[in-house]
Amino acid sequence: AQSVTQLDSHVSVSEGTPVLLRCNYSSSYSPSLFWYVQHPNKGLQLLLKYTSAATLVKGINGFEAEFKKSETSFHLTKPSAHMSDAAEYFCVVSDRGHTDSWGKLQFGAGTQVVVTP
Amino acid sequence: GAGVSQSPRYKVTKRGQDVALRCDPISGHVSLYWYRQALGQGPEFLTYFNYEAQQDKSGLPNDRFSAERPEGSISTLTIQRTEQRDSAMYRCASSLAGGRDTEAFFGQGTRLTVV
Repeated sequence: AQSVTQLDSHVSVSEGTPVLLRCNYSSSYSPSLFWYVQHPNKGLQLLLKYTSAATLVKGINGFEAEFKKSETSFHLTKPSAHMSDAAEYFCVVSDRGHTDSWGKLQFGAGTQVVVTP
Repeated sequence: GAGVSQSPRYKVTKRGQDVALRCDPISGHVSLYWYRQALGQGPEFLTYFNYEAQQDKSGLPNDRFSAERPEGSISTLTIQRTEQRDSAMYRCASSLAGGRDTEAFFGQGTRLTVV
């Protein structure tokens, strides 16, 4: 079984300050992990993904995430927040080792990010 | 098309009516997924297809829900005898061949409201 826990439902940051969105996962197999972003009235967009290569993953718009197996975490960070980063962010896990389940993406409940001037 | 297209974008229906939600995936994408997203929650898996074959329908909540993809392209999610608890955003996604690390591209969703 796989599951994802996003530790913060809301995060508020000032423009220009760092952003940290926390995610913990559990997986029976070797997981693939993703972060998706959802802007209002738009579809989900992939920010980055971890698939067993480098543990530090760089994504679009200056975001990056680090896979830490010992902590079962995949936290998302950005050094300096921009107003356009205001959106909802989802941490997602997929079991890579289970051939029938890879198509099932397990989403976290989401973290709403507010960026203040 | 350039992206995954879903129609209608918004659907209001009366309780007890049947609804059909359509998904047009990115051309050439083999895999197609349906998810449901309740307000304030993350999307939940419903079912997925490789080509026309339904590979997994374990997420469909009950037998009022069904999905098909008869020609391996466009897919329809049908909800019979709708109930108020079916109100949600229904999202479709598609991806290239069934590699585990393939990116899924999502459509903008269909907002279903059952009154």
